[in-house]
Amino acid sequence: GAGVSQTPSNKVTEKGKYVELRCDPISGHTALYWYRQSLGQGPEFLIYFQGTGAADDSGLPNDRFFAVRPEGSVSTLKIQRTERGDSAVYLCASSSTPGELFFGEGSRLTVL
Amino acid sequence: GDSVTQMEGPVTLSEEAFLTINCTYTATGYPSLFWYVQYPGEGLQLLLKATKADDKGSNKGFEATYRKETTSFHLEKGSVQVSDSAVYFCALSDNTGNQFYFGTGTSLTVIP
Repeated sequence: GAGVSQTPSNKVTEKGKYVELRCDPISGHTALYWYRQSLGQGPEFLIYFQGTGAADDSGLPNDRFFAVRPEGSVSTLKIQRTERGDSAVYLCASSSTPGELFFGEGSRLTVL
Repeated sequence: GDSVTQMEGPVTLSEEAFLTINCTYTATGYPSLFWYVQYPGEGLQLLLKATKADDKGSNKGFEATYRKETTSFHLEKGSVQVSDSAVYFCALSDNTGNQFYFGTGTSLTVIP
């Protein structure tokens, strides 16, 4: 597609449930990033892929969070045993050139 | 570690007023600096960037100059429009261009 696509745009779930958020980057972009944005805050880095491999996952807050990019294109962010504190907008961005990110519109996660 | 500090908002201006949003950074090495903008209901998009000291980034009437001596990258516009109402994020990328750090965002509202 023309831009970075994220689904779902909104997800409401109950505490303890499992959630998957999907990101479809711009075609040909080798780098893919996940960020989390809480209300009134800037994007907080979670994980960065170069191709299929996670080049830097130092931002994942704990082992309930995991992300994959098996074919070097679409990525899925997986959150197990969700907690209310996980509520945020999860942003995906892709890049072909170091230093310029193209963002999707985000997936808003609400954990009740 | 690397970080960005930007002026807190919200900022409210009348149309045609002069805008300054302050941004300072802390970084090792030679970061690149960015301003991203998020219009209501849309994803973050790159507004302008500067990759080395004394570079000036400009776009849509906005400007920012990379000042190494003051570690700053303040965003300016001489005459704002209602359509400039958005949240503005200052960001830096590290030496590799692969890791990004964002400020907390500054909300701008321009009234007619």
